[in-house]
Amino acid sequence: NAGVTQTPKFQVLKTGQSMTLQCAQDMNHNSMYWYRQDPGMGLRLIYYSASEGTTDKGEVPNGYNVSRLNKREFSLRLESAAPSQTSVYFCASSGEGTAGNTIYFGEGSWLTVV
Amino acid sequence: AQSVTQPDIHITVSEGASLELRCNYSYGATPYLFWYVQSPGQGLQLLLKYFSGDTLVQGIKGFEAEFKRSQSSFNLRKPSVHWSDAAEYFCAVSMDSNYQLIWGAGTKLIIKP
Repeated sequence: NAGVTQTPKFQVLKTGQSMTLQCAQDMNHNSMYWYRQDPGMGLRLIYYSASEGTTDKGEVPNGYNVSRLNKREFSLRLESAAPSQTSVYFCASSGEGTAGNTIYFGEGSWLTVV
Repeated sequence: AQSVTQPDIHITVSEGASLELRCNYSYGATPYLFWYVQSPGQGLQLLLKYFSGDTLVQGIKGFEAEFKRSQSSFNLRKPSVHWSDAAEYFCAVSMDSNYQLIWGAGTKLIIKP
């Protein structure tokens, strides 16, 4: 049972560098999400994709871009990393949105920007 | 604006004791409510959810939660905690947009032996 798989698990970047976080789910879910988690702030939604071919901004989209490559994959790109983007990033998926539906999470990607 | 409040940042409970984690929300319509658990270094796992029907909801790992509309609360309970319950617990509410959850800041549960 792979569920939601995200890579890399750990990454250290220098300010200004770019990187892409990869995410794939094998549950045939339509909806996928990228969250960031910071101490004392819970989870904040960066971007989501309601279905293949669509993406929308969440609460904190600035400095990020996403691509819904196909139904399985949803990547998050940092074009020019900043120290404020040091965080733990979680990819997640659900069958169809969040109302009443379980969201399944990946194990997280720890990103440090120095 | 909609919000979710978990008033306790940390809670320490002795192993075998009962547990109640508080969650209050501010939301106009009938909410969809969730509790998730996050073990150290891991992603989040659904414990239970409520969206209609019986206001007492049973979840995994022996947890339950009660929805009280009059108090705008959805508190999580367990009669007897185990050391393996040490984790961070998050309450969340689903918004109208159907793709965004509002998350509480989390409550870290510490178990005393």
